[in-house]
Amino acid sequence: EVQLVQSGVEVKKPGESLKISCKATGYIFTREWIGWVRQKPGKGLEWMGIIFPDDSETTYSPSFQGHVTLSADKSISSAFLQWSSLKSSDTATYYCASGNSGTGFKHWGQGTLVNVSS
Amino acid sequence: NFMLTQPHSVSESPGKTVTISCTGSGGSIASNYVQWYQQRPGSAPITVIYEDSQRPSGVPDRFSGSLDISSNSASLTISGLKTEDEADYYCQSYNSLNHGVFGGGTKLTVL
Repeated sequence: EVQLVQSGVEVKKPGESLKISCKATGYIFTREWIGWVRQKPGKGLEWMGIIFPDDSETTYSPSFQGHVTLSADKSISSAFLQWSSLKSSDTATYYCASGNSGTGFKHWGQGTLVNVSS
Repeated sequence: NFMLTQPHSVSESPGKTVTISCTGSGGSIASNYVQWYQQRPGSAPITVIYEDSQRPSGVPDRFSGSLDISSNSASLTISGLKTEDEADYYCQSYNSLNHGVFGGGTKLTVL
């Protein structure tokens, strides 16, 4: 059974850094893309970017390019989303999801709530 | 700039059939696969349709997806509606730069 298990709730202050994780089990991690999706409170889904864990090839949405960094560690079948300096506007739930490039996501993580407030 | 537009909300009675549309603009809906995701309140999304019309294992065959090239749109049809189908539904595809694009979401009410 494919499972994507994400790290827990984060409460941060503006300007702080953060790295959240997504651990994959039940499939060969290096054979599928991992994507990240943002959902602000009460709003829709936003596609942030994707990474191919085998070679760490990444594609970012222009809306998120330069604001976040995607990475992956094959040795622990985990993908990461990180910020170097959080803003209050980053408050949202972030989902990781796995799938094949061009064919969307098949499996989703449970989401990580990130609350950025002074 | 490729965009996907969905109706804000739809409603239908239990046992009936409902169709949710997803209209593309700024490009052809047929250029890339369309996916559909269901998100119940307070839960993570799940995939109900991928590659335009494929159902993941575990998704009931009451859910089906299709494309209409003439109207540049994709559709999600749910037959034999159940109260458990009440959720937000999002379509998703890609633009010419392989960046993912989501529709704004449709709230399905089963009443």
